Amino acid sequence: AQSVTQLGSHVSVSEGALVLLRCNYSSSVPPYLFWYVQYPNQGLQLLLKYTSAATLVKGINGFEAEFKKSETSFHLTKPSAHMSDAAEYFCAARVGSSNTGKLIFGQGTTLQVKP
Amino acid sequence: EAGVTQFPSHSVIEKGQTVTLRCDPISGHDNLYWYRRVMGKEIKFLLHFVKESKQDESGMPNNRFLAERTGGTYSTLKVQPAELEDSGVYFCASSPFRGVTDTQYFGPGTRLTVL
Repeated sequence: AQSVTQLGSHVSVSEGALVLLRCNYSSSVPPYLFWYVQYPNQGLQLLLKYTSAATLVKGINGFEAEFKKSETSFHLTKPSAHMSDAAEYFCAARVGSSNTGKLIFGQGTTLQVKP
Repeated sequence: EAGVTQFPSHSVIEKGQTVTLRCDPISGHDNLYWYRRVMGKEIKFLLHFVKESKQDESGMPNNRFLAERTGGTYSTLKVQPAELEDSGVYFCASSPFRGVTDTQYFGPGTRLTVL
């Protein structure tokens, strides 16, 4: 069965520091992977997605993620954190062979940015 | 273009009562998804509509949950009778296509509390 694991339910960084949010997937078939962000009182917003076209994916707001098949990982990074990055981040996967549109989510990681 | 909207934003009901959640997808999106996040857990898929047809309802927890999408526009999710474990945030998402890399656009969610 496919699963997505996000290491660390809470991550705290200082403003200007590197942001690293970890995501690992478990699947017999390489999945399609997504990172979503949820700001308070808002819906989930797509940050970026891996579609197999390129292993390094750039998203909005300066975020990027690298798909590493050997490590079954899709970690999210940003070189310099901004106060506005404080939010909850979700990694999600879809299996390419499935006819269903369902996403399988990790547990979510809350990012705190300290001044 | 209006995003996905959900109503109500919050609902507090007593165990045994009935609650109906509504989702209005982005206009023209044939695919509509329901997800749920129970406190402390990951977001989980409930079901997927393509127009008015249920494509995948494998995530529906039991027969107390009834989802409809009459006319292929808005959708409702009824919980009858509600139990304590039904508390959580219910998200709706929509997409124009159902390709594996297509983005799902999420609403802000309905927070359901069953007392």
